[in-house]
Amino acid sequence: DAGVIQSPRHEVTEMGQEVTLRCKPISGHDYLFWYRQTMMRGLELLIYFNNNVPIDDSGMPEDRFSAKMPNASFSTLKIQPSEPRDSAVYFCASSPPVLRAFFGQGTRLTVV
Amino acid sequence: GDSVTQMEGPVTLSEEAFLTINCTYTATGYPSLFWYVQYPGEGLQLLLKATKADDKGSNKGFEATYRKETTSFHLEKGSVQVSDSAVYFCALRGSQGNLIFGKGTKLSVKP
Repeated sequence: DAGVIQSPRHEVTEMGQEVTLRCKPISGHDYLFWYRQTMMRGLELLIYFNNNVPIDDSGMPEDRFSAKMPNASFSTLKIQPSEPRDSAVYFCASSPPVLRAFFGQGTRLTVV
Repeated sequence: GDSVTQMEGPVTLSEEAFLTINCTYTATGYPSLFWYVQYPGEGLQLLLKATKADDKGSNKGFEATYRKETTSFHLEKGSVQVSDSAVYFCALRGSQGNLIFGKGTKLSVKP
């Protein structure tokens, strides 16, 4: 398996634009997590899914953020409209129940 | 809710020094506990884990023991190397399946 695949690796966009981050989890994993990493706040859990169903989205900072998982092999995190304070590295991770999670390489988002 | 608190960094050590990074947690039920490591420009990788009280996780000379009575999972290594320089994250997997991380501790090891 190729591991968790995120795209794009880097994204630079202008304030106000829509941004979509993509994630392909490892096949067979029931759980998918989205995290945001910044120097100030560390690694924050934004939302996680179990069997494609969102379980807890309490970490999503604002209504500008939304996440979907239309099937077991694909998830998106969308920011609309984007703001400079959204600049961060966004990680996707997947796992079986209980066990360790596997992380993607992350998407570095810069909003100017 | 569930949470993880780990010591603030950065931590700077000389090669062959002893390392301790403190981690405590708050959780309902009996979480699994993990240490992950992140090298520059990469995602997080599992370093070690423990799934029940008194378990000791170990890998690459690092160790951590699941202490339920003190709700702690401190990371230790007897002799650090320059190649251990990275950011270390303590994490718990809660009973609801959530995976919560501490803020991370940056370790720099000088030759």
